[in-house]
This record gives sequence, structure tokens and C-alpha cells, in this order.
Amino acid sequence: ETGVTQTPRHLVMGMTNKKSLKCEQHLGHNAMYWYKQSAKKPLELMFVYNFKEQTENNSVPSRFSPECPNSSHLFLHLHTLQPEDSALYLCASSGGRGAVYGYTFGSGTRLTVV
Amino acid sequence: GQQLNQSPQSMFIQEGEDVSMNCTSSSIFNTWLWYKQDPGEGPVLLIALYKAGELTSNGRLTAQFGITRKDSFLNISASIPSDVGIYFCAGINSGGSNYKLTFGKGTLLTVNP
Repeated sequence: ETGVTQTPRHLVMGMTNKKSLKCEQHLGHNAMYWYKQSAKKPLELMFVYNFKEQTENNSVPSRFSPECPNSSHLFLHLHTLQPEDSALYLCASSGGRGAVYGYTFGSGTRLTVV
Repeated sequence: GQQLNQSPQSMFIQEGEDVSMNCTSSSIFNTWLWYKQDPGEGPVLLIALYKAGELTSNGRLTAQFGITRKDSFLNISASIPSDVGIYFCAGINSGGSNYKLTFGKGTLLTVNP
């Protein structure tokens, strides 16, 4: 356990479904992140939240909708996804000095869009 | 955006061998980090470097922050099968946000017992 918990670990969804990914951190961190990791591609930053305010949206399609109700929880709401959205979605958090001491990652949600 | 060039892309080695991988950038970084990702898991921080020239060890792992602040390397000595995984370099760009890490594309390490 890293202190960052992601659920579910695996998700298969149809292109017309609506689902949500959940991330929870128990580290007292104030910043949370969503990353996408596709096969043979580098880690892609999607969203950054700092003190539950969104500070970065890295040109992510609107079919991905993040929500950060407090500094400990982060959601990624998914709707009308495409097969190319299949990937490992990683949540991470960092403390008061941002990424200076690195991010703590969760184990990820393996998403398959069929 | 900033790019980190990580090499090699993949390595196949025998158990007991030493491993070296590196990251370079065209711009200056203030912080260098090295992560390892086991199959089916998220990346885990191995070593963090904060000063040019800094050399830091964590067990069989040694990493250095390059003098020019544009590169870093990671060495693994006497590799064992559990060293298998993807190793990522990451850094905070000088003048960039402290909340944003730039990642390399990763080095896939396979260790044959």
C-alpha cells in the first residue's frame, strides 16, 4: 500500500457507458493528479488539482471529467469513451512542496473500452 | 513541452550483471527523480536528487545529478530477478511549476535468472 488507493483496479466498459474512477489518498497531501499510461507511450499528464482547485487541464477531451471534492479524493468520470482510451489510469498525490519530493502513485485502474 | 530523453529503451541482462541507464534534457532541471514500475502497479520512487553533482545510493541503486543539470543516470549493481520492471526518470524543470513532473519514456529491464 502506497497511501494512494485507486478503485476499481480493472474496468471494462462499452463506448456508451458512464463510469467513474476513484482515487483516495491518506497522506495529507494537497495536490492530486491524473495520468494516462498507454502501451509504448510516455506517462501523459491529464489533470492537476491543488487544494481541490483544478490548476491544469492538459487538453483532455471532454469525455473525461474530473472531480475533486476535497484534497483527499479525486474522481475521473468517463462517458462515451473510444477504444483508444483503453489504458492504465494512474492517480498520484504530492505534498506541500509540490513534486519536489516526488509523487506518490496509486496502483492504477486498467481500463478497457470495448 | 519539455522532453526527457531516456535510454536505453529496453535492456535484457543476466542476473548478477550491472545496469546503467540515463536521461538527458535540452533544458536545466532543478530536481531529478528515478521511479520503478512493477507490472500492473504504479511507479514507486527510488531516488531523489536535488543538487548538481549529487550522488545518492539506495541499496544496490546509485543515481547522480549531472553537473550541467541537464542529465542524470541510474546504476543498478548485481541485478536480481526482482529488478525487472520499467524505470522512469522524472524531473522538475527550472522555471517550471513545482507541481509538474516531466517524465522520460522509461527503460524496460528484463533480468534472466
